[in-house]
Amino acid sequence: NAGVTQTPKFQVLKTGQSMTLQCAQDMNHNSMYWYRQDPGMGLRLIYYSASEGTTDKGEVPNGYNVSRLNKREFSLRLESAAPSQTSVYFCASSPTLRGNEQFFGPGTRLTVL
Amino acid sequence: DQQVKQNSPSLSVQEGRISILNCDYTNSMFDYFLWYKKYPAEGPTFLISISSIKDKNEDGRFTVFLNKSAKHLSLHIVPSQPGDSAVYFCAARAPGTYKYIFGTGTRLKVLA
Repeated sequence: NAGVTQTPKFQVLKTGQSMTLQCAQDMNHNSMYWYRQDPGMGLRLIYYSASEGTTDKGEVPNGYNVSRLNKREFSLRLESAAPSQTSVYFCASSPTLRGNEQFFGPGTRLTVL
Repeated sequence: DQQVKQNSPSLSVQEGRISILNCDYTNSMFDYFLWYKKYPAEGPTFLISISSIKDKNEDGRFTVFLNKSAKHLSLHIVPSQPGDSAVYFCAARAPGTYKYIFGTGTRLKVLA
């Protein structure tokens, strides 16, 4: 039982490049989330998926797209990376959308040059 | 504007003593609060929660207190252990939503 896994762990991109961050959970959770964490700030919600087949914007969705591929997997795509997207990205899941506890993955550290 | 504030970026405590981490919020309608612990290079892990209808919740060495009139919650760790050294985040949920607003975190260092 791996919980929430994220790939890659680290990534360096040049401005304008695209990439997809992968997230998978094996806890049979319905809801999944993408957050970013920047220095001096708390975690901010980018996108979430209440259940398979649905996605919605969070606080800071600009510059990102998501796909809920199936119940297990929720990917985050940067179509044209910008230096402002340099951050640590965390994926999380919870049994329900209003679940009181979210389980987090280990994070992806992304640097955009 | 930061709706959830952790005004102390860092805290050092001697092993065996009490650690008190504080969190203030601005929205009186927040109905559920969480504390997470985060080690370097790992994701946050859930510690303890409290509903707005309660003023205290305990789980082993961890106790969370909620003062609704002051819009303040605190996490007490007794006794503190070196393994408790981590960054602690509080988070608050607006009623009728799924969204948690996170504070900026407090780095706790427990000295042996």
